[in-house]
Formats: sequence, structure tokens, C-alpha cells
Amino acid sequence: NAGVTQTPKFRILKIGQSMTLQCAQDMNHNYMYWYRQDPGMGLKLIYYSVGAGITDKGEVPNGYNVSRSTTEDFPLRLELAAPSQTSVYFCASWGTGSYGYTFGSGTRLTVV
Amino acid sequence: DAKTTQPPSMDCAEGRAANLPCNHSTISGNEYVYWYRQIHSQGPQYIIHGLKNNETNEMASLIITEDRKSSTLILPHATLRDTAVYYCIVRKETSGSRLTFGEGTQLTVNP
Repeated sequence: NAGVTQTPKFRILKIGQSMTLQCAQDMNHNYMYWYRQDPGMGLKLIYYSVGAGITDKGEVPNGYNVSRSTTEDFPLRLELAAPSQTSVYFCASWGTGSYGYTFGSGTRLTVV
Repeated sequence: DAKTTQPPSMDCAEGRAANLPCNHSTISGNEYVYWYRQIHSQGPQYIIHGLKNNETNEMASLIITEDRKSSTLILPHATLRDTAVYYCIVRKETSGSRLTFGEGTQLTVNP
């Protein structure tokens, strides 16, 4: 049981490039979330999903897009990367009967 | 969701109890108190949660005041590996409702 798997762990992007951060969970959780964490700060919610085909914006959605075609996967797309998107990105999931969110180990993204 | 207030940092000696306070004076009746911790850049880890009764699990104890306006997370015998940022979060217990993270408390356990 792997939990929540995020790839890649590290990435350096040039300004204006795009990329997709991958997140997969094997716990059959309906709810999935993307957070970003800037240095020394708490986590801020970017997007979340309550089930396949359903997504919604969090606190800081600008510059990002998501999709949820399956229960297992919740990729986060960055279009036209900007230095302000330099951050650590965490994916999390939650399912009925779970006590708390399960978080992935994060993707550290640097935009230069 | 109600806002929480935590001290930015605390120190504790190894082997002693660590008591982390949290103020949530605007909590409503259907909101739970959750605690998570984040060890140096790893993903946050769920610790414990409660509504109004005190709770205990293998990781920690949670003491909630009778008026529910504040709570304390207790790590009974802190170890160096408990050094982390601890987040107190108030959340409605509806399916999948979102966690809103504040700045948390940096707990440093000293040898």
C-alpha cells in the first residue's frame, strides 16, 4: 500500500515553460487536494477534487489547472511557469473512514 | 472554518512532555480540532483529532477545554524525532472538507 505518490520529487523549470506534477493514490479515496508551501510558510490550497470528474478552486488557483479523470490520479498542470511558482507542492487524499489526510512526500519546484 | 492561534515556536527537553497550545475561540459546535505535524519539508502527518472529549492515541493526547475555545496537544515523552512544525486546525466534519493551514508552532526538542 503505497499511499500517495508524487512525481517528480525535484524539478527546475525555465520561465514560460509548462509541466505537469503527478499525484496518484491507491487507497480508493474520493477526495484529493493540491497544496503549495513557500519557504517558512504554511500550506495553501490550490485545487481540490471530491471525486472523478469534479474539481474546484482553492485559495491560490491562478496559474494552475487540474483534472480528475480517474479516482486514483489528480495531476496539477502549470502553464507558463513564473518565479512566483517556486515552491514545494504537496498532494493529499482523504476517504470515508480516514482519520486525516494522507499526504505525499512533495515535489520541490524551482522556476528560474 | 474557525481561525486558530498558536505560538510560533517552543522548546522542549528530550524525554519531557511537550505541551503545545492552540487557541480557537470562534470554534462552532460542529467543528473538530485536528493536529498535524510536518517534519522538515516532508508532507504533513495526521496526529489526532477531537470534538469535545479528551483523546489519546499512540502518538499524543489532545486536551480540549470545556468551553472548546482552546486545546493542548501533549507529546508525553518528546524525542529528537518529534522536532517539527505542529499545526492546529479547526475543521467541520463534513465529507472531505478542506484543511486550512496556519503557520503552526515550530517545536524543537533539545538533547
